[in-house]
Amino acid sequence: SQQGEEDPQALSIQEGENATMNCSYKTSINNLQWYRQNSGRGLVHLILIRSNEREKHSGRLRVTLDTSKKSSSLLITASRAADTASYFCATALGGSNYKLTFGKGTLLTVNP
Amino acid sequence: DADVTQTPRNRITKTGKRIMLECSQTKGHDRMYWYRQDPGLGLQLIYYSFDVKDINKGEISDGYSVSRQAQAKFSLSLESAIPNQTALYFCATSDYKAGGTDTQYFGPGTRLTVL
Repeated sequence: SQQGEEDPQALSIQEGENATMNCSYKTSINNLQWYRQNSGRGLVHLILIRSNEREKHSGRLRVTLDTSKKSSSLLITASRAADTASYFCATALGGSNYKLTFGKGTLLTVNP
Repeated sequence: DADVTQTPRNRITKTGKRIMLECSQTKGHDRMYWYRQDPGLGLQLIYYSFDVKDINKGEISDGYSVSRQAQAKFSLSLESAIPNQTALYFCATSDYKAGGTDTQYFGPGTRLTVL
């Protein structure tokens, strides 16, 4: 079963606007990661936030994590047409059997 | 990521045929993964390997097998392909670090169609 679920499933905005995507998960995690996928291509890692962190920034990306609500959000500021892609959250449960579980993704379309 | 390569990139085959998808990496990572992606869905883990002698089943291993020939090579086989195995297949590696964090690096994918 999917550990992470993104919301919304699809998002369409104009260039220059901010885009916010959310991820909810079910069980306690070690860390949560966001990945980007351009159509039909491999996923690319964007950012990782540990369970003891609340917010991280990387360029135009801002990620928050609320472990009490079991949710995370990814904010892309001043979006560009090149940001058009699917965005996936992935959760890591930690422990000796560490591996990632991916959600179904949010398809972001940034219109020029 | 050019450091993780997959062959073939596209394959069309018929029901019942044996298919092997290959993955090679030059990143020096011990951990390798095979995922399947269906349209509109996330990635489902098929098999993963933490080192050459440690191979584990993922969520959807039925109908698949793997071989870790070396640290740099991890192959996925479909012994008798069926149409519902039509999907995009990704190989990934990770730089797992003590303390339990890693980043996964994905290959470009293999688009497999089973007729």
